[in-house]
Amino acid sequence: GAGVSQTPSNKVTEKGKYVELRCDPISGHTALYWYRQSLGQGPEFLIYFQGTGAADDSGLPNDRFFAVRPEGSVSTLKIQRTERGDSAVYLCASSSRGEQFFGPGTRLTVL
Amino acid sequence: SQQGEEDPQALSIQEGENATMNCSYKTSINNLQWYRQNSGRGLVHLILIRSNEREKHSGRLRVTLDTSKKSSSLLITASRAADTASYFCATVAGGGADGLTFGKGTHLIIQP
Repeated sequence: GAGVSQTPSNKVTEKGKYVELRCDPISGHTALYWYRQSLGQGPEFLIYFQGTGAADDSGLPNDRFFAVRPEGSVSTLKIQRTERGDSAVYLCASSSRGEQFFGPGTRLTVL
Repeated sequence: SQQGEEDPQALSIQEGENATMNCSYKTSINNLQWYRQNSGRGLVHLILIRSNEREKHSGRLRVTLDTSKKSSSLLITASRAADTASYFCATVAGGGADGLTFGKGTHLIIQP
Protein backbone atom coordinates (compact mmCIF):
# COMPACT_ATOMS: atom_id res chain seq x y z
CA GLY A 1 0.00 0.00 0.00
CA ALA A 2 0.92 3.66 0.02
CA GLY A 3 3.57 5.03 2.33
CA VAL A 4 3.36 7.97 4.70
CA SER A 5 2.28 11.13 2.93
CA GLN A 6 2.64 14.73 4.07
CA THR A 7 1.09 17.92 2.79
CA PRO A 8 2.04 20.46 1.77
CA SER A 9 5.52 19.56 0.57
CA ASN A 10 6.58 23.17 0.92
CA LYS A 11 5.12 25.99 2.97
CA VAL A 12 6.32 29.58 3.01
CA THR A 13 4.78 31.87 5.56
CA GLU A 14 5.42 35.16 7.28
CA LYS A 15 6.56 35.60 10.84
CA GLY A 16 3.60 35.63 13.21
CA LYS A 17 1.29 33.57 10.99
CA TYR A 18 -0.41 30.27 11.86
CA VAL A 19 0.37 27.08 9.90
CA GLU A 20 -0.97 23.54 9.78
CA LEU A 21 0.99 20.58 8.50
CA ARG A 22 -0.76 17.33 7.68
CA CYS A 23 0.38 13.73 7.91
CA ASP A 24 -1.37 10.64 6.49
CA PRO A 25 0.19 7.54 8.06
CA ILE A 26 0.33 4.06 6.62
CA SER A 27 -3.09 2.46 6.98
CA GLY A 28 -3.35 0.40 10.16
CA HIS A 29 -0.35 1.93 11.90
CA THR A 30 -1.41 2.95 15.41
CA ALA A 31 1.77 4.87 16.29
CA LEU A 32 2.49 8.23 14.67
CA TYR A 33 5.48 10.49 15.26
CA TRP A 34 6.42 14.07 14.38
CA TYR A 35 10.04 15.20 14.04
CA ARG A 36 11.75 18.42 13.01
CA GLN A 37 15.00 18.50 11.06
CA SER A 38 17.15 21.59 10.71
CA LEU A 39 19.83 21.89 8.05
CA GLY A 40 22.84 19.71 8.78
CA GLN A 41 21.24 18.05 11.81
CA GLY A 42 19.50 14.80 12.50
CA PRO A 43 15.73 14.77 13.03
CA GLU A 44 14.59 15.92 16.46
CA PHE A 45 11.61 14.23 18.13
CA LEU A 46 8.55 16.40 18.78
CA ILE A 47 5.55 14.24 19.70
CA TYR A 48 4.31 10.65 19.55
CA PHE A 49 0.70 9.43 19.27
CA GLN A 50 -0.58 5.99 20.14
CA GLY A 51 -4.04 5.93 18.61
CA THR A 52 -5.79 9.24 19.25
CA GLY A 53 -3.84 10.26 22.32
CA ALA A 54 -0.45 11.91 22.64
CA ALA A 55 1.67 9.35 24.46
CA ASP A 56 4.71 11.64 24.66
CA ASP A 57 4.79 15.35 23.78
CA SER A 58 8.03 16.11 25.59
CA GLY A 59 9.76 17.21 22.39
CA LEU A 60 7.43 20.09 21.58
CA PRO A 61 9.62 23.18 21.98
CA ASN A 62 6.97 25.47 23.46
CA ASP A 63 3.23 26.08 23.66
CA ARG A 64 3.10 27.52 20.15
CA PHE A 65 3.30 23.95 18.88
CA PHE A 66 0.33 21.61 19.09
CA ALA A 67 -0.63 18.38 17.34
CA VAL A 68 -3.85 16.40 17.07
CA ARG A 69 -4.92 13.02 15.77
CA PRO A 70 -8.69 13.01 16.39
CA GLU A 71 -9.60 9.74 14.69
CA GLY A 72 -6.39 7.84 15.21
CA SER A 73 -5.25 8.16 11.62
CA VAL A 74 -4.45 11.54 10.05
CA SER A 75 -2.52 13.97 12.22
CA THR A 76 -2.10 17.73 12.03
CA LEU A 77 0.81 19.67 13.50
CA LYS A 78 -0.19 23.23 14.28
CA ILE A 79 2.22 26.09 14.84
CA GLN A 80 0.96 29.42 16.12
CA ARG A 81 2.72 32.79 15.81
CA THR A 82 5.48 31.32 13.68
CA GLU A 83 9.04 32.52 14.17
CA ARG A 84 11.99 32.45 11.78
CA GLY A 85 13.60 29.80 14.00
CA ASP A 86 10.71 27.45 13.20
CA SER A 87 12.04 27.08 9.66
CA ALA A 88 12.92 23.43 9.15
CA VAL A 89 11.73 20.23 7.51
CA TYR A 90 8.92 18.65 9.54
CA LEU A 91 8.88 14.87 9.23
CA CYS A 92 6.11 12.47 10.11
CA ALA A 93 6.54 8.75 10.67
CA SER A 94 4.24 5.86 11.47
CA SER A 95 4.94 2.48 12.95
CA SER A 96 3.30 -0.80 13.83
CA ARG A 97 6.13 -2.86 15.36
CA GLY A 98 9.09 -0.65 16.04
CA GLU A 99 10.39 0.21 12.60
CA GLN A 100 9.31 3.74 11.73
CA PHE A 101 8.38 4.65 8.17
CA PHE A 102 8.95 8.27 7.32
CA GLY A 103 7.11 10.59 4.99
CA PRO A 104 8.88 12.96 2.60
CA GLY A 105 8.47 15.90 4.97
CA THR A 106 7.13 19.43 4.77
CA ARG A 107 9.73 22.14 4.28
CA LEU A 108 8.56 25.15 6.30
CA THR A 109 10.12 28.53 5.64
CA VAL A 110 9.22 31.45 7.87
CA LEU A 111 10.17 34.79 6.37
CA SER B 1 18.39 17.20 22.14
CA GLN B 2 20.39 14.67 20.18
CA GLN B 3 21.82 11.65 21.93
CA GLY B 4 23.84 9.96 19.22
CA GLU B 5 27.13 11.11 17.83
CA GLU B 6 28.16 9.65 14.52
CA ASP B 7 31.78 9.39 13.57
CA PRO B 8 33.11 10.45 11.14
CA GLN B 9 30.95 13.43 10.18
CA ALA B 10 31.94 12.91 6.54
CA LEU B 11 33.48 10.01 4.66
CA SER B 12 34.59 9.75 1.03
CA ILE B 13 35.66 6.40 -0.42
CA GLN B 14 36.05 4.72 -3.80
CA GLU B 15 33.30 2.56 -5.22
CA GLY B 16 33.80 -1.06 -4.21
CA GLU B 17 35.49 -0.23 -0.90
CA ASN B 18 33.88 -0.84 2.48
CA ALA B 19 32.51 2.03 4.55
CA THR B 20 32.38 1.99 8.33
CA MET B 21 30.46 4.49 10.43
CA ASN B 22 30.32 4.61 14.20
CA CYS B 23 27.72 5.88 16.62
CA SER B 24 27.91 6.57 20.33
CA TYR B 25 24.98 7.26 22.62
CA LYS B 26 24.50 8.29 26.22
CA THR B 27 21.56 6.60 27.91
CA SER B 28 20.11 3.09 28.16
CA ILE B 29 18.28 1.93 25.08
CA ASN B 30 15.65 -0.55 24.01
CA ASN B 31 16.96 -0.71 20.45
CA LEU B 32 19.17 1.17 18.01
CA GLN B 33 18.29 1.80 14.38
CA TRP B 34 20.20 3.03 11.35
CA TYR B 35 18.60 5.23 8.71
CA ARG B 36 19.73 6.57 5.35
CA GLN B 37 18.68 9.92 3.97
CA ASN B 38 19.18 11.37 0.54
CA SER B 39 17.37 14.08 -1.34
CA GLY B 40 15.71 11.66 -3.69
CA ARG B 41 14.11 9.25 -1.25
CA GLY B 42 13.87 10.90 2.15
CA LEU B 43 14.62 8.99 5.35
CA VAL B 44 14.74 5.23 4.90
CA HIS B 45 15.02 2.60 7.63
CA LEU B 46 17.98 0.26 7.14
CA ILE B 47 18.25 -2.02 10.14
CA LEU B 48 17.17 -2.36 13.77
CA ILE B 49 19.25 -4.04 16.46
CA ARG B 50 17.84 -4.73 19.90
CA SER B 51 19.73 -4.11 23.12
CA ASN B 52 20.18 -7.86 23.70
CA GLU B 53 21.71 -8.40 20.25
CA ARG B 54 25.37 -7.89 19.38
CA GLU B 55 25.43 -8.16 15.60
CA LYS B 56 22.99 -8.13 12.74
CA HIS B 57 23.28 -8.48 8.97
CA SER B 58 21.08 -7.35 6.13
CA GLY B 59 22.41 -7.74 2.61
CA ARG B 60 25.59 -5.62 2.36
CA LEU B 61 24.97 -4.10 5.79
CA ARG B 62 26.45 -5.28 9.05
CA VAL B 63 25.59 -3.62 12.35
CA THR B 64 27.23 -4.22 15.70
CA LEU B 65 26.10 -3.05 19.10
CA ASP B 66 28.19 -2.81 22.28
CA THR B 67 25.91 -1.74 25.12
CA SER B 68 28.80 -1.69 27.62
CA LYS B 69 30.50 1.00 25.53
CA LYS B 70 27.21 2.54 24.36
CA SER B 71 28.33 2.34 20.78
CA SER B 72 27.30 0.86 17.45
CA SER B 73 28.89 0.55 14.03
CA LEU B 74 27.47 0.26 10.54
CA LEU B 75 29.53 -1.45 7.86
CA ILE B 76 28.56 -1.19 4.21
CA THR B 77 30.48 -3.67 2.08
CA ALA B 78 31.27 -3.35 -1.63
CA SER B 79 30.00 0.22 -1.75
CA ARG B 80 28.13 1.58 -4.76
CA ALA B 81 27.56 5.10 -6.02
CA ALA B 82 23.93 4.77 -4.97
CA ASP B 83 25.06 4.42 -1.34
CA THR B 84 25.96 8.12 -1.34
CA ALA B 85 23.75 9.60 1.37
CA SER B 86 23.68 10.71 4.99
CA TYR B 87 23.49 7.92 7.55
CA PHE B 88 21.96 8.38 10.99
CA CYS B 89 21.85 6.21 14.04
CA ALA B 90 18.79 6.56 16.22
CA THR B 91 18.05 5.12 19.63
CA VAL B 92 14.83 4.18 21.36
CA ALA B 93 14.52 4.11 25.12
CA GLY B 94 11.73 2.83 27.30
CA GLY B 95 9.34 0.19 26.00
CA GLY B 96 10.51 0.47 22.42
CA ALA B 97 7.65 2.49 20.99
CA ASP B 98 8.99 5.87 22.01
CA GLY B 99 10.27 8.51 19.66
CA LEU B 100 13.67 8.09 18.07
CA THR B 101 16.65 10.12 19.23
CA PHE B 102 18.90 10.77 16.26
CA GLY B 103 22.55 11.69 15.94
CA LYS B 104 23.86 14.33 13.57
CA GLY B 105 24.72 11.82 10.88
CA THR B 106 27.63 10.77 8.70
CA HIS B 107 27.68 12.09 5.15
CA LEU B 108 29.01 9.30 2.93
CA ILE B 109 30.25 9.99 -0.59
CA ILE B 110 31.10 7.10 -2.92
CA GLN B 111 33.46 8.16 -5.68
CA PRO B 112 32.83 6.27 -8.96
